[in-house]
Parts: sequence; C-alpha cells; structure tokens
Amino acid sequence: SSELTQDPAVSVALGQTVRITCQGDSLRTSFASWYQQKPGQAPLLVINGKNNRPSGIPERFSGSSSGDTASLTIIGTQAEDEAVYYCNSRDRSGDQLVVFGGGTKLTVL
Amino acid sequence: QLQLQESGPGLVEPSETLSLTCTVSGASISSSTYYWGWIRQPPGKGLEWIGSLFNIGTTFYSSSLKSRVLISVDTSENQLSLKLSSVTAADTAVDYCARHGIVVLPTPMSWFDPWGQGTLVTVSS
Repeated sequence: SSELTQDPAVSVALGQTVRITCQGDSLRTSFASWYQQKPGQAPLLVINGKNNRPSGIPERFSGSSSGDTASLTIIGTQAEDEAVYYCNSRDRSGDQLVVFGGGTKLTVL
Repeated sequence: QLQLQESGPGLVEPSETLSLTCTVSGASISSSTYYWGWIRQPPGKGLEWIGSLFNIGTTFYSSSLKSRVLISVDTSENQLSLKLSSVTAADTAVDYCARHGIVVLPTPMSWFDPWGQGTLVTVSS
C-alpha cells in the first residue's frame, strides 16, 4: 500500500508563515486532508479536498498540492497553532482505503 | 450537532477480543452519504486507520488488521461497533470513531470529521 511522508518536526516564528508538506504516490490522483491534534485531544479536521476549510477553522489555514506533494500553509501563525499535524488521503493501491502520514510537530517560537 | 462518543473496557487481556462501541447523536448512522470509521493511535505515535463501514453492510478494513477486525452497526441504537480479536500489547492505543467522508469523482478524497473524544484501551494481563 501507499505511504504518506511528513517531516517529523517544523518550527516557525510567531506571526510568520509556515508550510507543512505531505508526500506520497497517492497524492498524484487524490486530494489530501489535514488534521490538527493538540495534546490530549482528538484530531480536528482543518482542510479537506482541494482547499476546503470546515466551519470554524481560521482563514490563515490553507491547502494546496503539486504532483505527489500536498501542503498545509498557515499564514500569520499563532501560538495556539502549535500542534501535531497529520495528512491523509485515499490509497491509490485500492485495497487500502485510507492512509495517514506520520505527523509533523509544529513548534511556534 | 453531530457528536460521537466511544465506550468500552479500558483494559483487555492478551489474546482476548477488544470490543468498543461508538454512539452517534445528531445524525443517522444509516445515512447513505457518509462512511463511519475507526482510527487508533498508540501512545506517543501517529494515527492508524482501522476500518470503515458504509450504508450498514459494506465494510473496508486496513490490510494489516483485516484478519482480526470486525466493524458493524446497530441501527436501532445508532451505534457503530469495533471488535479486534487476538489482541497483543501492540494493540494498546487510543481508539477513535469518526464520520468518514469519501469522494470518488472528480478527484478522490477522504476525510474524517467529526471525531469522538477517543478511548484508551490497554492490552495487559
């Protein structure tokens, strides 16, 4: 089955822009979805599809994709954005419906 | 407002069967629009999809777990259930249920929203 690869950790200065990436073969034909998980909490969907933000998700979160890489961009990062971010997509191989990335720990400096 | 709540024993002995229930409120689990899924997260690790159920009777499982997993639904109680047999310490995790959206055309995509709060299941004697 396909895999999704994420950088284990990324840091950003308060108020700056950060891009978190997710790479995998399945992303050539499928959109990624992105989740934010804070300690002790369940994951929260922040982006699904091409660039759809669920109700209540701030506009500073956006999604994009190119080739086999999907990106989550946060413009004007806030302290409360510090969390682990996961991507997921459909699995191109077909027998595995869903695949998750390993997660990226975002630290806001 | 759609809400999901997992419940079940927090401790399961090795080789036994883990059984969890997810109670859905605010929507019918019989909906033909969405799947309903289970995802787990071992302590300190990432997310792993376990399986999803669509329209009551159609199920899809993780290839690594499918020999041990059964997901079913009780429409009268609006509940989703998970059974994982022959558990070992490696199955210790927080288990989440979530509504699972899937689009096939024009571009496939998959998302989970909302999630239950999760329940920790420890496999130990």
